Amino acid sequence: GAVVSQHPSRVICKSGTSVKIECRSLDFQATTMFWYRQFPKQSLMLMATSNEGSKATYEQGVEKDKFLINHASLTLSTLTVTSAHPEDSSFYICSARVVEGGQPQHFGDGTRLSIL
Amino acid sequence: LAKTTQPISMDSYEGQEVNITCSHNNIATNDYITWYQQFPSQGPRFIIQGYKTKVTNEVASLFIPADRKSSTLSLPRVSLSDTAVYYCLSPEYNQGGKLIFGQGTELSVKP
Repeated sequence: GAVVSQHPSRVICKSGTSVKIECRSLDFQATTMFWYRQFPKQSLMLMATSNEGSKATYEQGVEKDKFLINHASLTLSTLTVTSAHPEDSSFYICSARVVEGGQPQHFGDGTRLSIL
Repeated sequence: LAKTTQPISMDSYEGQEVNITCSHNNIATNDYITWYQQFPSQGPRFIIQGYKTKVTNEVASLFIPADRKSSTLSLPRVSLSDTAVYYCLSPEYNQGGKLIFGQGTELSVKP
């Protein structure tokens, strides 16, 4: 079945550091990828929609200058958390959608980001 | 806002059949209903998807009545490893297929 790989799985870094998270679709092309954030005991919250070859679409309340998204190819999207602070600590999850309509999204295994 | 609502939690015992119902009064004519399972510290895993009537795969069945205002995920003979959060979702196809997650149903399977 469709596989989405997310890297790294865990990051621990100091406040002020910028962190890049990669999301790859391993066996299919994904014109659209999505980035979510999940806090403990809460549901996933959609942050942005990443479109190959164009600018990402951010959900209301998500700072585009804080969370930089690049979707340079049909198999790779990256999320960069710039100048991360402790409140950015969270579980970040990406998903990818197969080009053909009606196909379900497939999710990566998430990245646990901890800012000290 | 999520287009679906479901019970926050359910309890069950090993070997029982579990049915989780989801309400979606306002889904569009061409919307699919999709269910995901999530374990702690993992990404959601696709379980099953349907449009109407009944869909069955190796892990679950999905029942969608004719009016499509609700759906029921059926898990046959659950085990302890089925303890997880289950999400009922309907992709926003007019917005690139994005998924807006509700609270999900936290299923606890006891021995």
